[in-house]
Amino acid sequence: QVQLVQSGAEVKKPGASVKVSCKASGYFFSSYDVHWVRQDPGQRLEWMGWINTGNGDTKYSEKFQGRVTITRDTSARTVYMDMTSLTSEDTGVYYCARIDRYCSSTSCFFFDYWGQGSLVTVSS
Amino acid sequence: DIQMTQSPSSLSASVGDRVTITCRASQSINNYLNWYQQKPGKVPELLIYAASSLRSGVPSRFSGGGSGTDFTLTISSLQPEDFATYYCQHTSSSYLSTFGQGTKLEIK
Repeated sequence: QVQLVQSGAEVKKPGASVKVSCKASGYFFSSYDVHWVRQDPGQRLEWMGWINTGNGDTKYSEKFQGRVTITRDTSARTVYMDMTSLTSEDTGVYYCARIDRYCSSTSCFFFDYWGQGSLVTVSS
Repeated sequence: DIQMTQSPSSLSASVGDRVTITCRASQSINNYLNWYQQKPGKVPELLIYAASSLRSGVPSRFSGGGSGTDFTLTISSLQPEDFATYYCQHTSSSYLSTFGQGTKLEIK
C-alpha cells in the first residue's frame, strides 16, 4: 500500500535550519510528484512547494522561495524539505503529500496520499 | 495571487442537517477546486476534486458544485463522523496550490 513516512518532531532555536524527510513506499517513486504543506497552530494549511521526483525540478510558493529547498534521493525513495532562518512563525506541522492527476493540464491534480506530519517547534 | 476565502469559518449543526460551505476565489479559477476533510489529529483527506467529482469511496451525501469564482461543498444529511474541518484548495498551472482558511463544523 502507498505510504509516506516522515521524520520525527524537531525543536529548533530561532535562526536555525531544519530538514524534514518523507520516505515513500508502495508505488513507483519517480512517477508521482511530492508537495509540502504546512499547517500552523491556527490550523491554516499553507502550500510550500513541490518536486518532480523524476527529474528533480522544483517550484516554490513566493512566500517560501529562497528559504526552502526541496530535494529528493531516488535510490532512497525519499524527499527532503530544508528550511533556513527559522522564526517562531515557522512553528507548525509539516506534511509531504503525493499528487495524482485527473487530466493532462498542470492544473488538474489533487493530493491523494499524505505523510503523517512532522511537528517543528521554533522557540528560544 | 489568487486568494481563496471560505465561509463560514465555523458552523454548528445537528446530525441529519443539510450543510453548505462556500469557497470564493478572488478571480475565476474555472473548476480547479478540491475539497478536503480533516479530523482532529489526522491528515486531510480528499472528498471532491474538479469542483464536483466525488472521490471513489466517499459517501454520496457529500457533493460539490460551482465554477468560476464561487464553489460549494454540501453535506446532505450530517452524520456524527462528519464533524471535522473542511478546506478548499485551488490548484493552478505548474502544479501550484492555494488553500482556503478552513471551516470547522461542530456539533450543535
